[in-house]
Amino acid sequence: AQTVTQSQPEMSVQEAETVTLSCTYDTSESDYYLFWYKQPPSRQMILVIRQEAYKQQNATENRFSVNFQKAAKSFSLKISDSQLGDAAMYFCAYLDNDMRFGAGTRLTVKP
Amino acid sequence: DTEVTQTPKHLVMGMTNKKSLKCEQHMGHRAMYWYKQKAKKPPELMFVYSYEKLSINESVPSRFSPECPNSSLLNLHLHALQPEDSALYLCASKFSVAGNTIYFGEGSWLTVV
Repeated sequence: AQTVTQSQPEMSVQEAETVTLSCTYDTSESDYYLFWYKQPPSRQMILVIRQEAYKQQNATENRFSVNFQKAAKSFSLKISDSQLGDAAMYFCAYLDNDMRFGAGTRLTVKP
Repeated sequence: DTEVTQTPKHLVMGMTNKKSLKCEQHMGHRAMYWYKQKAKKPPELMFVYSYEKLSINESVPSRFSPECPNSSLLNLHLHALQPEDSALYLCASKFSVAGNTIYFGEGSWLTVV
């Protein structure tokens, strides 16, 4: 079964600074998708960014970018110019037929 | 319309009650999911329906009974629940089993008393 590991239970960043959240996964599949979701206190799961495994180019969405290393099965999220509204729980997720989540990283943004 | 609608938003039920959670989407998605999420934990997969047929049951207790009456609707029937079943229940959908974008509803908060 596919597993997703987030080794940082909590992270903290100063407003306007950059932070990187780590994620590794384990799979025997070659075709899959990886995601980062943000979950604020409202508990709504908000898609931050998506990466197709067959694409070598790293996905970017405004201030959010990923470092996808397929051979190493690593998928980190970089948040640039951090804002107070970025504070939330961040989940890394793996998708082929169903979606599996990592344990999450709680991000705090300090003003 | 990229919306997955869950009702009710909040539900309080006794351990002897029978209740249901409802999930609806009108995006033509043929894969639908139920997840359970406890506080400070990631969502845990419960059930997957593909083309209205149950394709994955993650060893969920029988007091949770899923139903997919049509391609737009997914229900979760609840009976004889325990207080430890109190959680956020998330519904999600995807265009197909091989699709690559999954959409989540806002969840139903369940409290079992």
